[in-house]
Amino acid sequence: NAGVTQTPKFQVLKTGQSMTLQCAQDMNHNSMYWYRQDPGMGLRLIYYSASEGTTDKGEVPNGYNVSRLNKREFSLRLESAAPSQTSVYFCASSVPSGTGTGELFFGEGSRLTVL
Amino acid sequence: AQSVTQPDIHITVSEGASLELRCNYSYGATPYLFWYVQSPGQGLQLLLKYFSGDTLVQGIKGFEAEFKRSQSSFNLRKPSVHWSDAAEYFCAVGSPNTNAGKSTFGDGTTLTVKP
Repeated sequence: NAGVTQTPKFQVLKTGQSMTLQCAQDMNHNSMYWYRQDPGMGLRLIYYSASEGTTDKGEVPNGYNVSRLNKREFSLRLESAAPSQTSVYFCASSVPSGTGTGELFFGEGSRLTVL
Repeated sequence: AQSVTQPDIHITVSEGASLELRCNYSYGATPYLFWYVQSPGQGLQLLLKYFSGDTLVQGIKGFEAEFKRSQSSFNLRKPSVHWSDAAEYFCAVGSPNTNAGKSTFGDGTTLTVKP
């Protein structure tokens, strides 16, 4: 059982380049999330998708776009990368709180460096 | 707005000693509360959760946590720490009324275990 799978695991970009982080889950969860983790700052929510066909901004959405491609897949795009976007990105999924308790299942993370 | 404070950035304990990691939250009603653990280079894994009922909750790996509404706290405990418990621990709060996966995380506590 793969759970939540993220690709790529590592990426180095130059300022201004674009890239897409891919995420897929095989747990039939409705909700999916993108968080970023920076040293000493915990995890901050970038975007989330409560269900297929919907996306909403989280705490730090600037500079990012997302696509909920289908129930399984939720991608995060950086259109013009900036050094401030150097971070570790985590995709997560959950059963919504209406039917569950919202606990998150995380991928292993994607470490992005922007030079 | 909900928030989480983990007062201890770094804790060092000896193997076999007891452990308590502190977590204080801010939320208007009874929240969903979570503790996650992150080993180096890995994603986060749920240790335990509280959403209703008994205020003392048991989790995996011998961890437990107690919800104290009067103190707005949800401290994590373990009676005897093992070297493999060395990791970073995150407390998180989610809303029962919306998408609880939109959790707000504390900044984390790094646990070092001395032999």
